[in-house]
Amino acid sequence: AQSVAQPEDQVNVAEGNPLTVKCTYSVSGNPYLFWYVQYPNRGLQFLLKYITGDNLVKGSYGFEAEFNKSQTSFHLKKPSALVSDSALYFCAVRPSSGTYKYIFGTGTRLKVLA
Amino acid sequence: DSGVTQTPKHLITATGQRVTLRCSPRSGDLSVYWYQQSLDQGLQFLIQYYNGEERAKGNILERFSAQQFPDLHSELNLSSLELGDSALYFCASSPRDREETQYFGPGTRLLVL
Repeated sequence: AQSVAQPEDQVNVAEGNPLTVKCTYSVSGNPYLFWYVQYPNRGLQFLLKYITGDNLVKGSYGFEAEFNKSQTSFHLKKPSALVSDSALYFCAVRPSSGTYKYIFGTGTRLKVLA
Repeated sequence: DSGVTQTPKHLITATGQRVTLRCSPRSGDLSVYWYQQSLDQGLQFLIQYYNGEERAKGNILERFSAQQFPDLHSELNLSSLELGDSALYFCASSPRDREETQYFGPGTRLLVL
């Protein structure tokens, strides 16, 4: 079965420190990979995506993600966290062919401490 | 603001009732997706329409149905509502040239009492 795992329910990081939010996936073929962020009482906002090409993808608000095919991971990173980055982060995957279904992870709550 | 609008913002109803949620995609977007977000199930893909046609189906219950109209707005109909249907329902749309990128609306919060 195809799935996305975000192993950490919550990640705490001090402001100014680097942050990593983990995501692994199990999808056949070469999937499309995404990160979305959700602020309280808001819809999800697109952060970045990996379709093909360079394994390091840069996105909005200084976030980036690294695609690792051998480890089937797509971890979200930021060199220096801001308090305003505190939110719920979702990893998502869509197989590159055969279906338009999107599978979302359960979300990781990021808390950046001042 | 993503450009995707959803109405109503909040909806309170009773078990057994039927409700309709409405979504207007971003201007020019042909694809509309519906998702359900609940505390215990996370974000679940329900269904996708592309230019009026159903394109993909996810974990959508038989009591739920959706359609996309010629003006591209979409409606999600939920019937015989149960307590467990209480959730946030999101609509998203994607542009023709970047179909894999979705833009989410603010959601409709449904409470079934």
